[in-house]
Amino acid sequence: DIVMTQSPDSLAVSLGERATINCKSSQSVLSSSNNKNYLAWYQQRPGQPPKLLIYWASSRESGVPARFSGSGSGTDFSLTISSLQAEDVAVYYCQQYYSTPLAFGPGTKVDIK
Amino acid sequence: QVQLVESGGGVVQPGTSLRLSCAASGFTFSTYGIHWVRQAPGKGVEWVAIIWYDGSNKYYADSVKGRFTVSRDNSKNTLYLQMNSLRAEDTAVYYCARDRCTAGSCYVMDYWGQGNLVTVSS
Repeated sequence: DIVMTQSPDSLAVSLGERATINCKSSQSVLSSSNNKNYLAWYQQRPGQPPKLLIYWASSRESGVPARFSGSGSGTDFSLTISSLQAEDVAVYYCQQYYSTPLAFGPGTKVDIK
Repeated sequence: QVQLVESGGGVVQPGTSLRLSCAASGFTFSTYGIHWVRQAPGKGVEWVAIIWYDGSNKYYADSVKGRFTVSRDNSKNTLYLQMNSLRAEDTAVYYCARDRCTAGSCYVMDYWGQGNLVTVSS
């Protein structure tokens, strides 16, 4: 089974500043057949269900602001919020969908400094 | 608009059973796979199971395999999770979530319900 880890556990960033969250998988989630990384990112605001932000490691879901971007390949990935807004306070999860059982990372909490 | 509404949760004793339902609307239910995902109080999210659009494939997390069964009734636009031999560690908010892809699954979840709390306690 693939295990996901994230760092840091939490971070506090000033409004308008950049926030970067890291995600690592225990084995590669890059498919050799289509050269795609089976990695998604979700945002969970307090009291809400998770919301899909990014899939294929870097493809933004419809309606997601452009300040959210994903990068990385193989086993190492990042989610960047280029200019943090108040509504971005949330826990962010990465998820591998390369193989079942699907697995989420433990989450990274983002707060305002 | 896409809506997923979970129901059937509550407080149950260890070793007993419970069935959750997820009523779907706003999309062609019979063409999408649906996931169950859970979140223990104050913890992260954990994937539980998926059932393909036509029920032909089902996959489970190791933690629930052999105890939980996912099923669907496409004529009623409803998904089910039969949970047997419940344990204290099954206590969580259970979400149903739509798979992003039709006719098969891509295992990414694009719409989620608000969740339903299951508490396993004596």
